[in-house]
Amino acid sequence: GIQVEQSPPDLILQEGANSTLRCNFSDSVNNLQWFHQNPWGQLINLFYIPSGTKQNGRLSATTVATERYSLLYISSSQTTDSGVYFCAAARNSGNTPLVFGKGTRLSVIA
Amino acid sequence: GVTQSPTHLIKTRGQQVTLRCSSQSGHNTVSWYQQALGQGPQFIFQYYRKEENGRGNFPPRFSGLQFPNDSSELNVNALELDDSALYLCASSLRGNQETQYFGPGTRLLVL
Repeated sequence: GIQVEQSPPDLILQEGANSTLRCNFSDSVNNLQWFHQNPWGQLINLFYIPSGTKQNGRLSATTVATERYSLLYISSSQTTDSGVYFCAAARNSGNTPLVFGKGTRLSVIA
Repeated sequence: GVTQSPTHLIKTRGQQVTLRCSSQSGHNTVSWYQQALGQGPQFIFQYYRKEENGRGNFPPRFSGLQFPNDSSELNVNALELDDSALYLCASSLRGNQETQYFGPGTRLLVL
């Protein structure tokens, strides 16, 4: 099955700093999503991005499907950005279950 | 949104547990994931039209139900210590995982 690897595993930032999180996947995918898990465990959808670039406020994501990686950019980080960021992928965009990476734990310090 | 109950649960080894999930309105597919501490969620199984529609690498003591209103239950028999985890359900429209939304999860501790 698909393997999903994320880096770095941990990241500590000063408030206001920018960061880039990386997700590598082992096979071609038609479904690639980024999630943020808050300290209470809630997984929040950030982006559905099997290819191309999307932006939502201070967050943006780029997936280069041919090279099997995706990047999540966080600009002007805030303490509320803290938590774990997961990348998840699936071969099909239909009902194939998502395979998650181990996540990047982000701590933003005031 | 997607709701789950209970929020927390403590059981002892060998017991049985039932976790519940209410889907987002209009969604007809429910997936269950197990998230061990420090790991990403792992797919347990998916239900569509009350039938299991795909299963991950979990033993048969993990079973589920989907009801006519598309809500769902996850049942785990003969609990083991390693079953301690956050259990997440996600609802979606069949054939469209872009619409998949996760519930807040149930934290299960097995002693």
